[in-house]
Amino acid sequence: LAKTTQPISMDSYEGQEVNITCSHNNIATNDYITWYQQFPSQGPRFIIQGYKTKVTNEVASLFIPADRKSSTLSLPRVSLSDTAVYYCLVGDYAAGNMLTFGGGTRLMVKP
Amino acid sequence: KAGVTQTPRYLIKTRGQQVTLSCSPISGHRSVSWYQQTPGQGLQFLFEYFSETQRNKGNFPGRFSGRQFSNSRSEMNVSTLELGDSALYLCASSLELAGVGSDTQYFGPGTRLTVL
Repeated sequence: LAKTTQPISMDSYEGQEVNITCSHNNIATNDYITWYQQFPSQGPRFIIQGYKTKVTNEVASLFIPADRKSSTLSLPRVSLSDTAVYYCLVGDYAAGNMLTFGGGTRLMVKP
Repeated sequence: KAGVTQTPRYLIKTRGQQVTLSCSPISGHRSVSWYQQTPGQGLQFLFEYFSETQRNKGNFPGRFSGRQFSNSRSEMNVSTLELGDSALYLCASSLELAGVGSDTQYFGPGTRLTVL
């Protein structure tokens, strides 16, 4: 059963780089790692997805070590608008492809 | 391309009533999943429909049901509403079955249900 563990909350300041690490010790061979961002009373928004090594897009980078038992979402130069809850997600094949959201990390960006 | 749409956005019901929520997936997407989000329990998976068939189901009572139509639009129904059913109900669509390989889920804005 793929399960994720993330810090409950993190604080940062505008302009800083933020790294959020997620543990997924039981990740399956075919599982991808996906990160979502959610603002209050809105649906989660896809940020980035990866399988191994490093993935970068216009908003974030995702670092995945060789053993894939963890992943780190990196947000460069955060702004106040990045204050949100960030979820790490892996495919839950053991439960028949049912995706399981963990508790997420509440990021607070301060001026 | 239009995103996932959900109707209604807000709903107020009383205990014992039933409610139907609607979700229109992104054009071309065949999978629709439903989630319940509450402050205490977080995001919990309800069920997933693919090609009009329920493929996966979370740990919710039988009062929660759903269906998917041939155009991939989906509805979920909650009967005999309880106070604890107050939540944000989210719908997500994906091309194929959620969680398979790199297929990504795209979420709608949600329906805020309040049960009085």
